[in-house]
Amino acid sequence: DIVMTQTPLSSPVTLGQPASISCRSSQSLVHSDGNTYLSWLQQRPGQPPRLLIYKISNRFSGVPDRFSGSGAGTDFTLKISRVEAEDVGVYYCMQATQFPWTFGQGTKVEIK
Amino acid sequence: EVQLVESGGGLVQPGGSLRLSCAASGFTFNNYWMNWVRQAPGKGLEWVANIKQDGSEKYYVDSVKGRFTISRDNAKNSLYLQMNSLRAEDTAVYYCARWGSGWLQGFDCWGQGTLVTVSS
Repeated sequence: DIVMTQTPLSSPVTLGQPASISCRSSQSLVHSDGNTYLSWLQQRPGQPPRLLIYKISNRFSGVPDRFSGSGAGTDFTLKISRVEAEDVGVYYCMQATQFPWTFGQGTKVEIK
Repeated sequence: EVQLVESGGGLVQPGGSLRLSCAASGFTFNNYWMNWVRQAPGKGLEWVANIKQDGSEKYYVDSVKGRFTISRDNAKNSLYLQMNSLRAEDTAVYYCARWGSGWLQGFDCWGQGTLVTVSS
């Protein structure tokens, strides 16, 4: 199985400051079709998860442009350019390149 | 409005069975792969199973193979998860999630979840 490792696991951030979450996979996420099925999800307290980013860097509909994704191969990053109060929650990376699909452990973003 | 609504969760004894349902509305159900994802209390997300648009392909995480069966009824716009031989470690909120189509490859729609508790 592909193991997804996120760092940090907790990220206290000052409002208006940037935040960055790293996600590393145990093997390349490049699919035989040439796509890289790495996505990022946000889970606010008490809510189901919500898609933020798909295929490394594509923002889902309605997601603010302060969220951006980057990376390639086995190393990926989610960046929030200026954290707002509504960004508090847990962020997960996940891979859908190979079954079983797997998630990272989650990174908790909180306000200092 | 695109919507997924899960039902069927509850308290069940170890070794027991439960059938979860997910009612879809607001989109053409038979155009999408559908998934079950679970989240144990206070823990992270775990993909459980998925099923192709016509039901011809199904995939499972190893920990549920042989015990859980995913199915769908496109005429009823419904997804199911039959869970047998339940264990304490199956206790979780179970989410129904749609996998996007075409260029959009991600879990683009989620239900609110249904809680399954396995305990004596």
